[in-house]
Amino acid sequence: DIVMTQSPDSLPVSLGERVTINCKSSHSVLYSSNNKNYVAWYQQKPGQPPKLLIYWASTRESGVPARFSGSGSGTDFSLTISSLQAEDVAIYFCHQYFITPLTFGGGTRVEIK
Amino acid sequence: QVRLQESGPGLVKPSETLSLTCTVSGGSVNNYYWSWIRQPPGTGLEWIGYIFSSGNTDYNPSLRSRVTMSVDTSKNQVSLKLSSVTAADAAVYYCARVPVEKVRGLTMLREASYWGQGTLVTVSS
Repeated sequence: DIVMTQSPDSLPVSLGERVTINCKSSHSVLYSSNNKNYVAWYQQKPGQPPKLLIYWASTRESGVPARFSGSGSGTDFSLTISSLQAEDVAIYFCHQYFITPLTFGGGTRVEIK
Repeated sequence: QVRLQESGPGLVKPSETLSLTCTVSGGSVNNYYWSWIRQPPGTGLEWIGYIFSSGNTDYNPSLRSRVTMSVDTSKNQVSLKLSSVTAADAAVYYCARVPVEKVRGLTMLREASYWGQGTLVTVSS
């Protein structure tokens, strides 16, 4: 199985500050045939299902604010919120959809400091 | 707009079989994979498995011996059965739509962009 290790577990941040969440996969999720990384990032708020923010490691889903961005390749990935807004308080998960069993990171809780 | 709705008993007794249905509206079940994912309260996400509209399945090895998925294209539904449940199976269960694409002849999964709201299953006698 590909293990997705997220850090940190929890991240208290002031409004307007930059947020960076890291995710490391135990095996590369880069497919050489199309040069795409099969990693997605989801945001989950209490009582709601996960919401897709980023796919292919760096492609923003339609309707997602531009302050959210993804980067990385191979085994190391990051999700960045350029300027934290109150509505961004949530748990964020990374996810690999390269090989089954599909797996998720443990989640990072972003809260207001 | 595609909508997914999970349904089924919210309470299952230990050792019995959990049965859930995901009803798809605003789109067809055809030509997609449909994943089931669960989330125990306060913890992370676990992929249970998926089924293609043709009936092909792939299950998480950790649950494979207890999982059965099926698809009913006439009702636009996919179903999950998990047998011999224990307290460890208590969770919110989600269904999600997984598109696919061909890359040099190989079928590759895409990201799951549509999820149901989830249904909470409690295991208790």
